[in-house]
Amino acid sequence: NAGVTQTPKFQVLKTGQSMTLQCAQDMNHNSMYWYRQDPGMGLRLIYYSASEGTTDKGEVPNGYNVSRLNKREFSLRLESAAPSQTSVYFCASKMDRGANYGYTFGSGTRLTVV
Amino acid sequence: GQQVMQIPQYQHVQEGEDFTTYCNSSTTLSNIQWYKQRPGGHPVFLIQLVKSGEVKKQKRLTFQFGEAKKNSSLHITATQTTDVGTYFCAGLAFSTTDSWGKFQFGAGTQVVVTP
Repeated sequence: NAGVTQTPKFQVLKTGQSMTLQCAQDMNHNSMYWYRQDPGMGLRLIYYSASEGTTDKGEVPNGYNVSRLNKREFSLRLESAAPSQTSVYFCASKMDRGANYGYTFGSGTRLTVV
Repeated sequence: GQQVMQIPQYQHVQEGEDFTTYCNSSTTLSNIQWYKQRPGGHPVFLIQLVKSGEVKKQKRLTFQFGEAKKNSSLHITATQTTDVGTYFCAGLAFSTTDSWGKFQFGAGTQVVVTP
């Protein structure tokens, strides 16, 4: 049981380049999330998908787009990377958007924008 | 908007000692969750508290939800080197439709254990 799988694990981009971070879960969870983690700032929500076919902005959505491809997969796209997007990105899933479940996180993507 | 603050930001503990980390919210919470992240790893769900004054234990870890549901604490007894990592709390504001599924994470308490 793999849980939440993220690819790639590491990435270096030049300013202005684009890339897509992939995330897939095999737990039949309905809700999926993208967070970024920066030193001293905890986890900040970028976008989330409460269920297949829906996406919504989180706390820090600017510069990102998402696609909920199907129930399993939720991708995050950086259209024109900026140094401020250097961070560790975590995908997470939860049984549903309600309050009674904990998040299952992927192992993260460490992104550096130069 | 809702803010969740954790103190201390950094905790240096001698192996065998006890310590407590605190989580405070600017608003009343419906639920609070705790996570542990090992160095270089990802956050792992530990526990969820729902009821006012609730206390839950996991071996040497004791979690408590405040009576007013605006704060929580994690107490670790007889700290071991395996307790190294960052502990995050995540709070869900009390019942607004917009907040469903969007727990607000604190900045975490980074714990270093000296043998």
